[in-house]
Amino acid sequence: RKEVEQDPGPFNVPEGATVAFNCTYSNSASQSFFWYRQDCRKEPKLLMSVYSSGNEDGRFTAQLNRASQYISLLIRDSKLSDSATYLCAVKIYGGSQGNLIFGKGTKLSVKP
Amino acid sequence: DTAVSQTPKYLVTQMGNDKSIKCEQNLGHDTMYWYKQDSKKFLKIMFSYNNKELIINETVPNRFSPKSPDKAHLNLHINSLELGDSAVYFCASRQGGSGNTIYFGEGSWLTVV
Repeated sequence: RKEVEQDPGPFNVPEGATVAFNCTYSNSASQSFFWYRQDCRKEPKLLMSVYSSGNEDGRFTAQLNRASQYISLLIRDSKLSDSATYLCAVKIYGGSQGNLIFGKGTKLSVKP
Repeated sequence: DTAVSQTPKYLVTQMGNDKSIKCEQNLGHDTMYWYKQDSKKFLKIMFSYNNKELIINETVPNRFSPKSPDKAHLNLHINSLELGDSAVYFCASRQGGSGNTIYFGEGSWLTVV
């Protein structure tokens, strides 16, 4: 089982739609969770951290379920500019580096 | 100013060659990384480097070697390049301790022919 797994998509949705992505992680020692966004031929950029109580940033809502070891990202009122690949990332603390492990990403395409 | 910069952005080279990709961060971060993103878009950590402590992903061939002349630089050297090395290589950095956000460079597109 891979450390971090995501549905690769693509998710093709119309503008204004609500779309949800899930990500599961295998290591119960995982301590920090993130969603990154990666545009075509660009570097990943932090979209938002995911907190235990869940958190919201505008149209984006992130949730964490430690018992089931998954995190989710909900995008409301999708915009054309939301088209990108969304990468789930998990940080496992055990050494001094706290390496960030990524899922393969879920591709989102928002259509007019 | 670019926080994490890497050069070259594009590199096309023949099999068997040796090449280097340079990375510099001006964020004052303690930890730097190299990630590889292959044709299937899977972003995989290769190395992390913190205060002269190198952690190597055991799946990385020893043809790949990171070199850090100082805290702000982590260069990637690749010997005897193979076709399968073609990928995008991202440098990244993070503040040590409780600093969580990892900042990526723009990537270096390596094509081995």
